[in-house]
Amino acid sequence: NAGVMQNPRHLVRRRGQEARLRCSPMKGHSHVYWYRQLPEEGLKFMVYLQKENIIDESGMPKERFSAEFPKEGPSILRIQQVVRGDSAAYFCASTRGANEQFFGPGTRLTVL
Amino acid sequence: EDQVTQSPEALRLQEGESSSLNCSYTVSGLRGLFWYRQDPGKGPEFLFTLYSAGEEKEKERLKATLTKKESFLHITAPKPEDSATYLCAVQGSGATNKLIFGTGTLLAVQP
Repeated sequence: NAGVMQNPRHLVRRRGQEARLRCSPMKGHSHVYWYRQLPEEGLKFMVYLQKENIIDESGMPKERFSAEFPKEGPSILRIQQVVRGDSAAYFCASTRGANEQFFGPGTRLTVL
Repeated sequence: EDQVTQSPEALRLQEGESSSLNCSYTVSGLRGLFWYRQDPGKGPEFLFTLYSAGEEKEKERLKATLTKKESFLHITAPKPEDSATYLCAVQGSGATNKLIFGTGTLLAVQP
Protein backbone atom coordinates (compact mmCIF):
# COMPACT_ATOMS: atom_id res chain seq x y z
CA ASN A 1 0.00 0.00 0.00
CA ALA A 2 1.98 2.95 -1.30
CA GLY A 3 2.14 6.08 0.78
CA VAL A 4 1.97 9.65 -0.42
CA MET A 5 4.27 10.12 -3.39
CA GLN A 6 5.94 13.35 -4.41
CA ASN A 7 8.14 14.15 -7.36
CA PRO A 8 10.61 15.31 -8.09
CA ARG A 9 12.42 14.85 -4.80
CA HIS A 10 14.88 17.58 -5.67
CA LEU A 11 14.35 20.45 -8.08
CA VAL A 12 16.79 23.16 -9.08
CA ARG A 13 15.54 26.24 -10.87
CA ARG A 14 17.08 29.56 -11.87
CA ARG A 15 15.40 32.79 -10.87
CA GLY A 16 12.46 33.54 -13.16
CA GLN A 17 11.79 29.93 -14.15
CA GLU A 18 8.71 27.92 -13.27
CA ALA A 19 8.60 25.08 -10.76
CA ARG A 20 6.00 22.29 -10.86
CA LEU A 21 5.70 19.98 -7.88
CA ARG A 22 3.54 16.87 -8.04
CA CYS A 23 1.78 14.93 -5.32
CA SER A 24 -0.08 11.62 -5.56
CA PRO A 25 -2.15 10.96 -2.42
CA MET A 26 -2.49 7.62 -0.69
CA LYS A 27 -4.96 5.23 -2.25
CA GLY A 28 -8.48 6.10 -1.18
CA HIS A 29 -7.57 9.62 -0.04
CA SER A 30 -9.33 12.51 -1.74
CA HIS A 31 -8.03 15.40 0.37
CA VAL A 32 -4.62 16.95 -0.30
CA TYR A 33 -2.72 19.59 1.66
CA TRP A 34 0.46 21.44 0.75
CA TYR A 35 2.88 22.76 3.37
CA ARG A 36 6.17 24.63 3.05
CA GLN A 37 9.14 24.25 5.41
CA LEU A 38 11.69 27.02 5.27
CA PRO A 39 15.14 26.47 6.81
CA GLU A 40 15.00 26.79 10.61
CA GLU A 41 11.21 27.29 10.50
CA GLY A 42 8.23 25.08 11.11
CA LEU A 43 5.86 23.65 8.55
CA LYS A 44 3.47 26.29 7.23
CA PHE A 45 0.11 25.46 5.65
CA MET A 46 -0.33 26.65 2.10
CA VAL A 47 -3.45 25.15 0.53
CA TYR A 48 -6.10 22.45 1.00
CA LEU A 49 -7.72 20.81 -2.01
CA GLN A 50 -10.27 18.15 -2.76
CA LYS A 51 -10.79 16.71 -6.22
CA GLU A 52 -11.32 19.66 -8.60
CA ASN A 53 -11.87 22.09 -5.72
CA ILE A 54 -9.73 24.46 -3.68
CA ILE A 55 -11.14 24.42 -0.15
CA ASP A 56 -8.70 26.74 1.66
CA GLU A 57 -5.87 28.71 0.10
CA SER A 58 -5.35 31.08 2.99
CA GLY A 59 -1.66 30.16 3.27
CA MET A 60 -0.79 30.65 -0.39
CA PRO A 61 1.14 33.75 -1.45
CA LYS A 62 -1.15 35.96 -3.51
CA GLU A 63 1.09 36.02 -6.55
CA ARG A 64 3.04 33.40 -8.51
CA PHE A 65 1.68 30.39 -6.60
CA SER A 66 -1.20 28.19 -7.71
CA ALA A 67 -2.43 24.68 -6.96
CA GLU A 68 -4.80 22.21 -8.52
CA PHE A 69 -6.07 18.69 -7.91
CA PRO A 70 -7.72 17.48 -11.10
CA LYS A 71 -10.25 14.69 -11.38
CA GLU A 72 -7.54 12.45 -12.82
CA GLY A 73 -3.88 12.60 -11.93
CA PRO A 74 -1.77 14.09 -9.19
CA SER A 75 -2.12 17.39 -7.38
CA ILE A 76 0.18 20.08 -8.76
CA LEU A 77 1.74 23.03 -6.92
CA ARG A 78 2.99 25.56 -9.44
CA ILE A 79 5.36 28.40 -8.71
CA GLN A 80 5.88 30.89 -11.50
CA GLN A 81 8.92 33.18 -11.82
CA VAL A 82 10.69 31.65 -8.85
CA VAL A 83 12.82 33.80 -6.55
CA ARG A 84 15.54 32.78 -4.08
CA GLY A 85 13.08 33.11 -1.19
CA ASP A 86 11.05 30.25 -2.66
CA SER A 87 13.86 27.82 -1.81
CA ALA A 88 12.36 25.42 0.72
CA ALA A 89 11.05 21.93 1.24
CA TYR A 90 7.49 21.50 0.02
CA PHE A 91 5.45 18.71 1.57
CA CYS A 92 2.18 17.21 0.51
CA ALA A 93 -0.16 15.39 2.89
CA SER A 94 -3.34 13.44 2.26
CA THR A 95 -6.34 12.21 4.24
CA ARG A 96 -9.73 10.64 3.68
CA GLY A 97 -11.34 13.52 5.54
CA ALA A 98 -10.68 15.52 8.70
CA ASN A 99 -8.37 12.88 10.10
CA GLU A 100 -4.68 12.25 10.45
CA GLN A 101 -2.67 13.74 7.62
CA PHE A 102 -0.04 11.47 6.11
CA PHE A 103 2.92 13.22 4.57
CA GLY A 104 5.01 12.52 1.53
CA PRO A 105 8.82 12.68 1.41
CA GLY A 106 8.81 16.26 0.13
CA THR A 107 10.30 18.15 -2.78
CA ARG A 108 13.35 20.23 -2.02
CA LEU A 109 13.38 23.29 -4.26
CA THR A 110 16.58 25.23 -4.73
CA VAL A 111 16.49 28.51 -6.63
CA LEU A 112 19.83 29.66 -7.99
CA GLU B 1 -4.69 33.42 16.30
CA ASP B 2 -3.93 29.71 16.65
CA GLN B 3 -0.39 29.11 17.89
CA VAL B 4 1.86 26.23 18.92
CA THR B 5 5.06 26.53 20.95
CA GLN B 6 7.38 23.61 21.54
CA SER B 7 10.12 23.32 24.15
CA PRO B 8 12.92 22.72 24.46
CA GLU B 9 14.22 23.52 20.98
CA ALA B 10 16.85 20.82 21.36
CA LEU B 11 17.39 18.02 23.85
CA ARG B 12 20.32 15.69 24.27
CA LEU B 13 19.81 12.51 26.29
CA GLN B 14 21.88 9.50 27.18
CA GLU B 15 20.49 6.17 26.10
CA GLY B 16 18.01 5.06 28.75
CA GLU B 17 17.54 8.57 30.19
CA SER B 18 13.80 9.31 30.16
CA SER B 19 12.45 12.81 29.54
CA SER B 20 9.49 14.81 28.21
CA LEU B 21 8.90 17.22 25.36
CA ASN B 22 6.37 20.03 25.76
CA CYS B 23 3.85 21.46 23.32
CA SER B 24 1.85 24.51 24.45
CA TYR B 25 -1.01 25.64 22.28
CA THR B 26 -3.69 28.28 21.88
CA VAL B 27 -6.47 27.43 19.49
CA SER B 28 -10.08 28.36 19.01
CA GLY B 29 -11.85 25.05 19.47
CA LEU B 30 -9.38 22.18 19.47
CA ARG B 31 -10.41 19.41 17.11
CA GLY B 32 -7.19 17.46 17.45
CA LEU B 33 -3.56 17.64 18.55
CA PHE B 34 -1.05 15.67 16.49
CA TRP B 35 2.48 14.46 17.11
CA TYR B 36 4.82 13.67 14.25
CA ARG B 37 8.40 12.50 13.99
CA GLN B 38 10.64 13.90 11.26
CA ASP B 39 14.02 12.48 10.29
CA PRO B 40 16.51 14.61 8.31
CA GLY B 41 15.58 14.89 4.65
CA LYS B 42 12.25 13.09 5.11
CA GLY B 43 8.61 13.94 5.54
CA PRO B 44 6.85 13.98 8.93
CA GLU B 45 5.79 10.54 10.14
CA PHE B 46 2.49 10.38 12.03
CA LEU B 47 2.70 9.23 15.66
CA PHE B 48 -0.44 10.18 17.64
CA THR B 49 -3.70 12.09 17.62
CA LEU B 50 -5.22 13.37 20.88
CA TYR B 51 -8.72 14.84 20.94
CA SER B 52 -9.63 15.82 24.49
CA ALA B 53 -8.01 16.77 27.80
CA GLY B 54 -7.03 13.76 29.84
CA GLU B 55 -6.47 11.54 26.83
CA GLU B 56 -3.26 9.48 26.63
CA LYS B 57 -1.79 7.33 23.86
CA GLU B 58 1.24 5.06 23.83
CA LYS B 59 3.47 3.52 21.20
CA GLU B 60 6.59 1.62 22.19
CA ARG B 61 8.74 4.04 24.22
CA LEU B 62 6.53 7.06 23.53
CA LYS B 63 3.50 8.29 25.43
CA ALA B 64 1.52 11.41 24.56
CA THR B 65 -0.75 13.22 27.01
CA LEU B 66 -3.07 16.20 26.64
CA THR B 67 -4.38 18.96 28.89
CA LYS B 68 -6.45 22.03 27.99
CA LYS B 69 -3.32 24.11 27.42
CA GLU B 70 -0.51 21.70 26.52
CA SER B 71 0.60 18.27 25.48
CA PHE B 72 3.59 16.24 26.56
CA LEU B 73 5.48 13.58 24.68
CA HIS B 74 7.14 11.32 27.24
CA ILE B 75 10.08 9.23 26.07
CA THR B 76 10.91 6.30 28.32
CA ALA B 77 14.38 4.71 28.17
CA PRO B 78 15.17 6.19 24.75
CA LYS B 79 17.45 4.53 22.24
CA PRO B 80 19.69 6.19 19.63
CA GLU B 81 17.14 5.34 16.93
CA ASP B 82 14.67 7.68 18.68
CA SER B 83 16.85 10.61 17.59
CA ALA B 84 14.74 12.87 15.35
CA THR B 85 12.79 16.12 15.36
CA TYR B 86 9.41 15.77 17.05
CA LEU B 87 6.68 18.03 15.75
CA CYS B 88 3.44 19.03 17.41
CA ALA B 89 0.46 20.40 15.47
CA VAL B 90 -3.10 21.46 16.25
CA GLN B 91 -6.25 21.49 14.20
CA GLY B 92 -8.78 24.13 15.20
CA SER B 93 -12.46 24.55 14.60
CA GLY B 94 -13.75 25.75 11.26
CA ALA B 95 -14.26 24.32 7.82
CA THR B 96 -10.58 23.97 7.02
CA ASN B 97 -8.58 20.97 8.20
CA LYS B 98 -5.23 22.73 8.15
CA LEU B 99 -2.63 21.92 10.78
CA ILE B 100 -0.74 24.60 12.71
CA PHE B 101 2.74 23.32 13.54
CA GLY B 102 5.27 24.20 16.18
CA THR B 103 8.93 24.48 15.22
CA GLY B 104 9.78 21.14 16.77
CA THR B 105 12.14 19.66 19.34
CA LEU B 106 15.37 18.17 18.00
CA LEU B 107 16.13 15.09 20.10
CA ALA B 108 19.55 13.48 20.12
CA VAL B 109 20.02 10.23 22.05
CA GLN B 110 23.65 9.33 22.72
CA PRO B 111 24.60 5.63 23.03
